Amino acid sequence: GENVEQHPSTLSVQEGDSAVIKCTYSDSASNYFPWYKQELGKRPQLIIDIRSNVGEKKDQRIAVTLNKTAKHFSLHITETQPEDSAVYFCAASISSGSARQLTFGSGTQLTVLP
Amino acid sequence: GAGVSQSPRYKVAKRGQDVALRCDPISGHVSLFWYQQALGQGPEFLTYFQNEAQLDKSGLPSDRFFAERPEGSVSTLKIQRTQQEDSAVYLCASSLAQAFGRFNEQFFGPGTRLTVL
Repeated sequence: GENVEQHPSTLSVQEGDSAVIKCTYSDSASNYFPWYKQELGKRPQLIIDIRSNVGEKKDQRIAVTLNKTAKHFSLHITETQPEDSAVYFCAASISSGSARQLTFGSGTQLTVLP
Repeated sequence: GAGVSQSPRYKVAKRGQDVALRCDPISGHVSLFWYQQALGQGPEFLTYFQNEAQLDKSGLPSDRFFAERPEGSVSTLKIQRTQQEDSAVYLCASSLAQAFGRFNEQFFGPGTRLTVL
């Protein structure tokens, strides 16, 4: 089955700096890659996603890049703010049958220092 | 509109007790997923429904875990004879997607935190 590795597990940046989180996946059939933000005790919320037919997607301060050949994708947050502090999860979707379950990475605790 | 809701939000059970966790998906969402999230980890897939049909239960860790969605809306995850290793947050997610090849966002509920003593 699919395996998703995520690095780093913790990341501290100064307010205004950029943050980058990287993930790799194992199953070349995966073709949907969402990123979720989870604040302490809250539900995961989708912040951006990318499909395998594009290499990059941007939404304001957030961007995601995908390298299908290398099977890795990254989340970039620019001009970080204290409210960006949370745990971020990458995920990949296996394209098999009708099941669309997500395989998640282990998460990155991002702390933005004021 | 209303998002995915789950109840109870917290559940404490003694080892050996049975528990039932409820998920109310977003109205009209065809797909429903259950995930288990251990402390400090990412969610792990348990099972998937398309309407009332359970199409994939490969992630259920043992036969003590059972899920149903009899009318294609509300779903219940039941854990029999709970063990300490069952302690985790159980997340439910729903999606509008119904056809293979479609990608739709999975909306998560707030989760049920289960603690087995």
